[in-house]
Formats: sequence, structure tokens, C-alpha cells
Amino acid sequence: SQKIEQNSEALNIQEGKTATLTCNYTNYSPAYLQWYRQDPGRGPVFLLLIRENEKEKRKERLKVTFDTTLKQSLFHITASQPADSATYLCARPYSSASKIIFGSGTRLSIRP
Amino acid sequence: KAGVTQTPRYLIKTRGQQVTLSCSPISGHRSVSWYQQTPGQGLQFLFEYFSETQRNKGNFPGRFSGRQFSNSRSEMNVSTLELGDSALYLCASSLGETTGKGEQFFGPGTRLTVL
Repeated sequence: SQKIEQNSEALNIQEGKTATLTCNYTNYSPAYLQWYRQDPGRGPVFLLLIRENEKEKRKERLKVTFDTTLKQSLFHITASQPADSATYLCARPYSSASKIIFGSGTRLSIRP
Repeated sequence: KAGVTQTPRYLIKTRGQQVTLSCSPISGHRSVSWYQQTPGQGLQFLFEYFSETQRNKGNFPGRFSGRQFSNSRSEMNVSTLELGDSALYLCASSLGETTGKGEQFFGPGTRLTVL
């Protein structure tokens, strides 16, 4: 079965540094991967989608990569700020034209 | 444009009861998905509806059911509640026919507590 894993349950870094979160998937490469941010007590908010044929995608201080050889996506936040503290989720389609499955999330804490 | 709304926001029920949760998607969105989120299992897919038809279903017992109305509003129902059903239930809407081909917009969720 398809799986998606975020190995780091929590990540603590100093303000101003680059935060790097990892998402690994099993079996076939999905057509795309999505990244979401979730704050406590709220629903996830979509951040970025990267397609299988895209190596990298950027949005302001965010950068996502997609490596089909390593079966991995990396999510970077540059010049991190305490306001970036949240849980970040990666997601993939279970199969083509199918339900979305989510990783367990990485709780990111940025200390001043 | 108003976001996804879910009602009620909080709900307390006892074991054996049933519950109905409601979701209004963003105007123009025709796809609605439901998720259950718990600390132990994370975010798990329940089902997806598009144009009043269930398109995908997750691995949940038959006590969990849903439907979608012609105006795209959706409801999910859980019968014979169990303690383990305590969770945050999230609804997400998207523009396209199949959830996930684009961005999903999540509502704030309904926090269900089963006593």
C-alpha cells in the first residue's frame, strides 16, 4: 500500500536559520506532493504543490523539492521566524485520481 | 469569498448516540472531502463527494456515512458512537472533480468528544 512518512515528529531551530523538513513515500512516485501548515485547533492550510516533473518549487521563503530517485520531498523555510512555528504536513494521492493521504506531520518550533 | 464552514464547532455526545456534522464548501467548489484527525492516527481520509456522488472512501466502518446535497453542502453521520470516535473532524473543499488535483481548502473542524 502507499505510505507517506514524516520521520521527524518535532524540529526545534533558532530564528533566522533554515528549517528543513523531510517527507518520504513508498512504492510508486505520486503525480504530485502537497505541503500544508496546521496551527493548533485549526484546519490545515495549503502551502505548495509540486509535480513529479518539477525538481523544485518556491514561494516567498518556502522551497519544496521532489526527488523521485530518493522517493523524498524536502520542505525548506529560509530566514525562519517564530511565526513559522506550526505543524507541517505533507500529502500525496493514494493512487491516480484518488484520495489524499497525509503524513503524520512535523511540529516545527522556531525559538527567538 | 467565504471559506469552508463547519457546524457545530464543538460537540459532546455519549457512547451509543449518533451525530451529524455539516460542511459548507467554498462557493463554486463541488468536491468535498472529510477527514478524521486524532493525536495517535493523524489525519485520515473518510470519504470524498463530488456532485452528490461518493467518489472515494477510506477505511472506516459502516457507522461512518456521508452525503452531499445539490448545493454541494455535505453532511457526515456517525452512528453508535464509540469512545474512539473522539476526534477533530475536518471538511475540505476543492474546485476540481477529484480531490487533490489541486489545492484543498479546509474548514476549522468539528471537535467531537464522546463520553
